[in-house]
Amino acid sequence: DAKTTQPPSMDCAEGRAANLPCNHSTISGNEYVYWYRQIHSQGPQYIIHGLKNNETNEMASLIITEDRKSSTLILPHATLRDTAVYYCIVRDTGTASKLTFGTGTRLQVTL
Amino acid sequence: GAVVSQHPSWVICKSGTSVKIECRSLDFQATTMFWYRQFPKQSLMLMATSNEGSKATYEQGVEKDKFLINHASLTLSTLTVTSAHPEDSSFYICSAIHEKLFFGSGTQLSVL
Repeated sequence: DAKTTQPPSMDCAEGRAANLPCNHSTISGNEYVYWYRQIHSQGPQYIIHGLKNNETNEMASLIITEDRKSSTLILPHATLRDTAVYYCIVRDTGTASKLTFGTGTRLQVTL
Repeated sequence: GAVVSQHPSWVICKSGTSVKIECRSLDFQATTMFWYRQFPKQSLMLMATSNEGSKATYEQGVEKDKFLINHASLTLSTLTVTSAHPEDSSFYICSAIHEKLFFGSGTQLSVL
C-alpha cells in the first residue's frame, strides 16, 4: 500500500469548515483513498472514500486532485464531536486488501 | 453500515493467564478479518489477517504462538493472547470487510 503524509494536528473553530490534507504521491491507479476517524478509545469509523472523482456524503466531502497525488477531507460545519484523529489511507481494490494506518491528523474542534 | 461487534470491551487479567477476544460480523459474512493493536497515543498496527477456514497470516514481528487466531465461521474470529504479560497491555481492534472495512469498538486489555 502507498504511504500517506498528514499534518500531525490541526485546530478548527466550531461551525467552521475543517479541511484536512493528505499527500499520497506514490498512489497507484487501482488504489482508492479512504478516510477514517478514531475518537478516543473507540474503533475507527469510516467516513468516505474515492478513486478519482470528488465524493460527498452526509458526513464529509472528499476532494482528490487530478493527478491523485493528494486529497482533502472537508467537514463542512465542524462540531465538538468531530474532535478525533483522522486517518487518510490508500488501499488496493482487491477485496482482501488490508488497511495500513499512518499517524493521522489529530483534529481539535474548539468553541 | 455493516456492524462489527467486539467482546469484551475491556478485560483485566493476571500475568501468565490467557485472554480471548471475540469479533463478530453481525449482518454480513466475512471471509477475512483483520486484527490490530494500538498503544496509547500511537496509530493502529496490523497484527494479522484472519482467514475463514485457514491459517491466519501474521505481520512481521508478531508471534503467532502468542497471539492465536481462529476464524472458524464466516461471522466469528477470535484472538487469544496466551500467557499474557504486562507488555501485552494494549487496545486490540478487529475489522471485517463488507465492501469496505468496518471496525469493532475495540478491547482494552490490561495485564497486571
